[in-house]
Amino acid sequence: ETGVTQSPTHLIKTRGQQVTLRCSSQSGHNTVSWYQQALGQGPQFIFQYYREEENGRGNFPPRFSGLQFPNYSSELNVNALELDDSALYLCASSRTDMNTEAFFGQGTRLTVV
Amino acid sequence: SQQGEEDPQALSIQEGENATMNCSYKTSINNLQWYRQNSGRGLVHLILIRSNEREKHSGRLRVTLDTSKKSSSLLITASRAADTASYFCATAKTGGFKTIFGAGTRLFVKA
Repeated sequence: ETGVTQSPTHLIKTRGQQVTLRCSSQSGHNTVSWYQQALGQGPQFIFQYYREEENGRGNFPPRFSGLQFPNYSSELNVNALELDDSALYLCASSRTDMNTEAFFGQGTRLTVV
Repeated sequence: SQQGEEDPQALSIQEGENATMNCSYKTSINNLQWYRQNSGRGLVHLILIRSNEREKHSGRLRVTLDTSKKSSSLLITASRAADTASYFCATAKTGGFKTIFGAGTRLFVKA
């Protein structure tokens, strides 16, 4: 049990739709990172939020956006869904932005049809 | 592209044997971490080794880091069927903000 929860656990959306995934971090963890993991691959860094500001982004288009709230919750929003967006989406929280141990949620499995 | 690359991609051993997984990376790093993932679910942090450390132990786990070769190894001693999982190395670049994962090693421990 990592203390990080994600919702929903599974989701099916249609191409072109928009989706919001949610993450609740551990209390006191002011950094949250989001990852996309395709089947059989390692997690790919999407972006990181520190104290409610985006402070780093991977190689993902602007239709991937996020929010972090003062209550240690955060969201990943994806617009104009594409079939290739089908993946496991993971959030990870940590105490600082100094690349310390991260605590992962169980992920949201998104299927785009 | 991913910075860390694990080797081998898959490993099958008998219970009680040792398992060794290797990771190579490309740039200077602040630290290197190993994570475990069961059946496509969340990742669990195993161990973090900083760039100025050469070896670290945690229970049945032993991690080494060679910054001159840009490589790390994870040794699991006396493996158990419950160790069956995917293992990922993750690196944090010097001065960087993000942690980059490799593609992982899939370990199968047969009872």
